[in-house]
Amino acid sequence: DAKTTQPNSMESNEEEPVHLPCNHSTISGTDYIHWYRQLPSQGPEYVIHGLTSNVNNRMASLAIAEDRKSSTLILHRATLRDAAVYYCILRDNFGNEKLTFGTGTRLTIIP
Amino acid sequence: GAVVSQHPSRVICKSGTSVKIECRSLDFQATTMFWYRQFPKQSLMLMATSNEGSKATYEQGVEKDKFLINHASLTLSTLTVTSAHPEDSSFYICSAYRGTGGQPQHFGDGTRLSIL
Repeated sequence: DAKTTQPNSMESNEEEPVHLPCNHSTISGTDYIHWYRQLPSQGPEYVIHGLTSNVNNRMASLAIAEDRKSSTLILHRATLRDAAVYYCILRDNFGNEKLTFGTGTRLTIIP
Repeated sequence: GAVVSQHPSRVICKSGTSVKIECRSLDFQATTMFWYRQFPKQSLMLMATSNEGSKATYEQGVEKDKFLINHASLTLSTLTVTSAHPEDSSFYICSAYRGTGGQPQHFGDGTRLSIL
């Protein structure tokens, strides 16, 4: 599986935007970029995914670099409920459907 | 969004007991279901991939006779931890999925298993 690299932890102030980076230099042409987050004592929650173009939904935005070797998850206005571990995962569209979780980024929101 | 229900949410039982965990996709038919295990302060580790009507595919190092998976329908998969021991204590999480890699997986809320 193509690997991703994320910072272990980040902090952000409440009500400010948060930019969570992810590097995936070995991404293949058929890999989708998925983001999930896991709140304490819960299963992961889908956040957003994309292939080449930037994506927006009600939870977040995903900015994908032109060469697709990196991406950034953007939370436009962080709240305390956004404190979680965020996982950036590559998923092949035509082959293996499983998700391989790395260590993710633990996001702390400061009130 | 899609909902995946996992039951029970917590189990505490004695060593040697077998424990069954259910995973249901409530509003869609899942092509595939996955079972993960998560130890404290660690990431999720995939245990097995389950397709309806066929045998589960286990990840390397996961004992298939210890962790029995049954995927009887497109909306239900079960994981049975047989003769559980304290080292099996963990957070077990299922997910359900339909389609290609461009589609998201939907996760249950997990089952915390504690073996005394």
